[in-house]
Amino acid sequence: NAGVTQTPKFQVLKTGQSMTLQCAQDMNHEYMSWYRQDPGMGLRLIHYSVGAGITDQGEVPNGYNVSRSTTEDFPLRLLSAAPSQTSVYFCASSYSQANSPLHFGNGTRLTVT
Amino acid sequence: AQRVTQPEKLLSVFKGAPVELKCNYSYSGSPELFWYVQYSRQRLQLLLRHISRESIKGFTADLNKGETSFHLKKPFAQEEDSAMYYCALSGDQGAQKLVFGQGTRLTINP
Repeated sequence: NAGVTQTPKFQVLKTGQSMTLQCAQDMNHEYMSWYRQDPGMGLRLIHYSVGAGITDQGEVPNGYNVSRSTTEDFPLRLLSAAPSQTSVYFCASSYSQANSPLHFGNGTRLTVT
Repeated sequence: AQRVTQPEKLLSVFKGAPVELKCNYSYSGSPELFWYVQYSRQRLQLLLRHISRESIKGFTADLNKGETSFHLKKPFAQEEDSAMYYCALSGDQGAQKLVFGQGTRLTINP
């Protein structure tokens, strides 16, 4: 049972490049989400999904796309990277019942130059 | 709007001293509050939630609706408590859509 797995761990992009951050979970969780962590700002919700085929925007969705074709996977796509997207990205999953704890991945540290 | 404020970015105490990490929230409804912790080189993980009224690793947190606070306390700090702590709130968006505070880095000095 690997939990929530994120790849890659580190990534450097040039402005304008696109890439996909991968997230997979093996706990059969219905709910998955992406957060970004920036110094002094805590974690901010980018996108989330309550089940396969269903996604919605969080607090800071601009510049990111997501899809949820399977229960296990929830990739985050950066369409055209900008320096403002330099951050640490965390994927999290949980059961959909109220108060179910979020299980986090190890994070992806992204630098956009 | 839902908001969580952790006024201290950094907190340093000596081993054996009491610890209190402050968390204040803004929410008009009935909140569900959590503390998450990230130890060095480990994943962010749930420490405790107010609905469980539990003590985890000696930490407790009481929801004070009058003061809109959910401070995390431990009577005697241990070196292994050094970590980043995040207070989080779940409101009308659903239990999983958490709003996080800015985080407090706790350092326990020997």
